[in-house]
Amino acid sequence: DVQMTQSPSSLSASVGDRVTITCQASQNIYNYLNWYQQKPGKAPKLLIYDASHLEPGVPSRFSGSGSATEYSLTISSLQPEDFATYYCQQYDVLPPSFGQGTKVDVK
Amino acid sequence: QVQLVESGGGVVQPGKSVRLSCAGSGFLFPSYGMHWVRQAPGKGLEWVALMSYDGTKIYYGDSVKGRFTISRDNYKNTLYLQMSGLRTEDTAVYYCAKSVFGNHKTVLDSWGQGTLVIVSS
Repeated sequence: DVQMTQSPSSLSASVGDRVTITCQASQNIYNYLNWYQQKPGKAPKLLIYDASHLEPGVPSRFSGSGSATEYSLTISSLQPEDFATYYCQQYDVLPPSFGQGTKVDVK
Repeated sequence: QVQLVESGGGVVQPGKSVRLSCAGSGFLFPSYGMHWVRQAPGKGLEWVALMSYDGTKIYYGDSVKGRFTISRDNYKNTLYLQMSGLRTEDTAVYYCAKSVFGNHKTVLDSWGQGTLVIVSS
């Protein structure tokens, strides 16, 4: 199975900050990497698929990059509605697997 | 718009069974792969099972293999998860989710609101 490791596990930031979350896969996953946002008590929401493609309707302040085993999600200017937990997920190899999550909270 | 509505959760004793349902609407249900993903209280997301659009590809996570069975009825636009031999560690919110693909590839673009299963004596 492919292990997904996110860092950091949590971070504190202020509105307007640039935030970057990284995700490392235990093997090359060939950009088959998605990012989801989850707010408390809500279902996850797809933000980015295939490492860098923005899901329609997602604000352009979100971007994804990376290749092989190293990927990142960047929020260029954090907005109040962006405080949430973010998960990466690979789908190159079955079973699909999620990272442990990164909680972004208010500094 | 796409809507997924789960039902069937509740409190169940260890070793017992329960069946979850997920009713889909607003999209062509028979064309898409469907998944179950769970989240234990205060924990992260764990993928559970998938079924391709036509039911020919089925996969399970190791923690539920042999105990859970995924199925679908494309005439009723409904996905199911039969859960047997339940353990306390199966306590979680169970989400059904739609993939953008019809096959086993997992890009989950729509999710239900989740149904809570509590396994407790």
